[in-house]
Amino acid sequence: SQTIHQWPATLVQPVGSPLSLECTVEGTSNPNLYWYRQAAGRGLQLLFYSVGIGQISSEVPQNLSASRPQDRQFILSSKKLLLSDSGFYLCAWTAGTYNEQFFGPGTRLTVL
Amino acid sequence: RKEVEQDPGPFNVPEGATVAFNCTYSNSASQSFFWYRQDCRKEPKLLMSVYSSGNEDGRFTAQLNRASQYISLLIRDSKLSDSATYLCVVMKLGGGATNKLIFGTGTLLAVQP
Repeated sequence: SQTIHQWPATLVQPVGSPLSLECTVEGTSNPNLYWYRQAAGRGLQLLFYSVGIGQISSEVPQNLSASRPQDRQFILSSKKLLLSDSGFYLCAWTAGTYNEQFFGPGTRLTVL
Repeated sequence: RKEVEQDPGPFNVPEGATVAFNCTYSNSASQSFFWYRQDCRKEPKLLMSVYSSGNEDGRFTAQLNRASQYISLLIRDSKLSDSATYLCVVMKLGGGATNKLIFGTGTLLAVQP
């Protein structure tokens, strides 16, 4: 069966520091991968998606970037964090464009 | 107008009650529809897909009305463990290689003993 991992689970970072969040999927090949952010009291916002290695699409202009160095690995990064980057970051995968998405356990980021 | 709208609640119901959540979406070209459940400080988990003919999974029934752009979720015989936020999700046709899920902000359900 497929599983999706994210780490770290919790992160507290100062403003201006870099960020690297990792997501890996097991038990499937060539998944579509997604990064979402959920701010407190708000809905999920799609940040990036990827349909293959090295292919990244950005949904909203922001302080973040994403990379997909391997088929089942998706990384979310920032060079300098802002206070507004705080939130719950969720990675998701799907086997196809019309299929349900399945989420990892998430990373809770607090920028101070 | 939000693409997916839900009543945020909270819905406070006693155990054993029947509760219904509604959701409206604005894009008539939306293709697929889902209900997800999210527990406090956890990731969303797929509860059920919503099919045009309506579908049932145990105590849960989902309905879709394309003409009114309306989705519903009915929970019968509520359990304490049903307490969570229920997210209405609509798949939006994208211009790129993938379609995108649009999430509502969720409806909070609290089942009371």
